[in-house]
Amino acid sequence: EVQLLESGGGLAQPGGSLRLSCAASGFTFSSYAMSWVRQAPGKGLEWVSTFSGSGGSTYYADSVKGRFIISRDNSKNTLYLQMNSLRVEDTAVYYCAKDRYSGSAGGDAFNIWGQGTIVTVSS
Amino acid sequence: DIQMTQSPSTLSASVGDRVTITCRASQTISTWLAWYQQKPGKAPKLLIYKASSLETGVPSRFSGSGSGTEFTLTISSLQPDDFATYYCQHYNSYPLTFGLGTKVEIK
Repeated sequence: EVQLLESGGGLAQPGGSLRLSCAASGFTFSSYAMSWVRQAPGKGLEWVSTFSGSGGSTYYADSVKGRFIISRDNSKNTLYLQMNSLRVEDTAVYYCAKDRYSGSAGGDAFNIWGQGTIVTVSS
Repeated sequence: DIQMTQSPSTLSASVGDRVTITCRASQTISTWLAWYQQKPGKAPKLLIYKASSLETGVPSRFSGSGSGTEFTLTISSLQPDDFATYYCQHYNSYPLTFGLGTKVEIK
């Protein structure tokens, strides 16, 4: 069964850091671009970042560029999001999501999502 | 950046109704569009990809159409399980963006 399991969420102070993880199973992880998508309380979906399946390209939303770093360890089938200089407005459920097609170059639909991990930024 | 405008933001309908949701892109995106369904407290679920392709396992009452800048999601006969929020998303280029969502409520 294809599955994504996020962890690492919690409470952080403004200016603080958190590292999210997403453990993948049931598919050839290294072949697929992987993304983070977040949802603030009562709000819609916001794409955060993508790590390509090959070539090592990374993409970021302007709202997190320079503060968040996406990475992956294909040997561990795990995606990460290092979140630095956190702001109150980063409070959200963070989802890990898998591209529908392997080898997508310019973005794709997300056919598998994790259950989400909650990040709260507050003093 | 490409902006996605969804309408309506809320829709009240009855079981058996035909429902149509519209998504407009601020510039042409060919057919690089997906539709998702989300229920409270749950992750989004992919319904439609490439504007009109039905994801495996999704009921055939869901359909998508459009290309360029105008897209629609249609539910041919609304079922009790379909009351949820629906989002469009373009994947023409980065940054990827979602519409603000359409909440389908019971009339």
